[in-house]
Amino acid sequence: GAVVSQHPSWVICKSGTSVKIECRSLDFQATTMFWYRQFPKQSLMLMATSNEGSKATYEQGVEKDKFLINHASLTLSTLTVTSAHPEDSSFYICSARGDRAGEQYFGPGTRLTVT
Amino acid sequence: AQTVTQSQPEMSVQEAETVTLSCTYDTSENNYYLFWYKQPPSRQMILVIRQEAYKQQNATENRFSVNFQKAAKSFSLKISDSQLGDTAMYFCAFMKLYSGAGSYQLTFGKGTKLSVIP
Repeated sequence: GAVVSQHPSWVICKSGTSVKIECRSLDFQATTMFWYRQFPKQSLMLMATSNEGSKATYEQGVEKDKFLINHASLTLSTLTVTSAHPEDSSFYICSARGDRAGEQYFGPGTRLTVT
Repeated sequence: AQTVTQSQPEMSVQEAETVTLSCTYDTSENNYYLFWYKQPPSRQMILVIRQEAYKQQNATENRFSVNFQKAAKSFSLKISDSQLGDTAMYFCAFMKLYSGAGSYQLTFGKGTKLSVIP
């Protein structure tokens, strides 16, 4: 149980276009999901926290208008990178909060390459 | 704000030997969890072990155990009988609980790259 999926696993897009990444909790309901960004050989940096039915809370330095997060249901959160540029190329990971305190389940990540 | 420090960027260990990864953290919170996550080359984050701050007993999971020193704010991971499959990045992480903004968010250390040598 407690599986989180991400789609796509790898996406290549042209500079200036937008790309959407989906994060789904497959066998549980997640009221809270988190989005992280990871550059090569670096740690995970929290981008934003999304709660079902409300606006996402962004970490300092993360552009809200560039990284649009929608958490429309208890099993789906989406991250849209708008007007992507090569510097947005990174590995994006989502996680979902579980029912018990301290539980958090990670998706397999999405590799974004902007050309 | 919380900070997590892993002072060993890279470590190596012979297969079947024991290795300890270090982690220190800084917080003014009293209710929190500490975690060790493993990230193999696939980049899937895998939970290795979890420690509740209110528990004095150190957590263990098979070959993995922690040394949790709350007063010293230290949380090291010991891997016994190291296996080739243990080769990965290991991240120490902190989670604040139950108190408003930032609750349940994970703060990660920079990671330790562990190589198990045959």
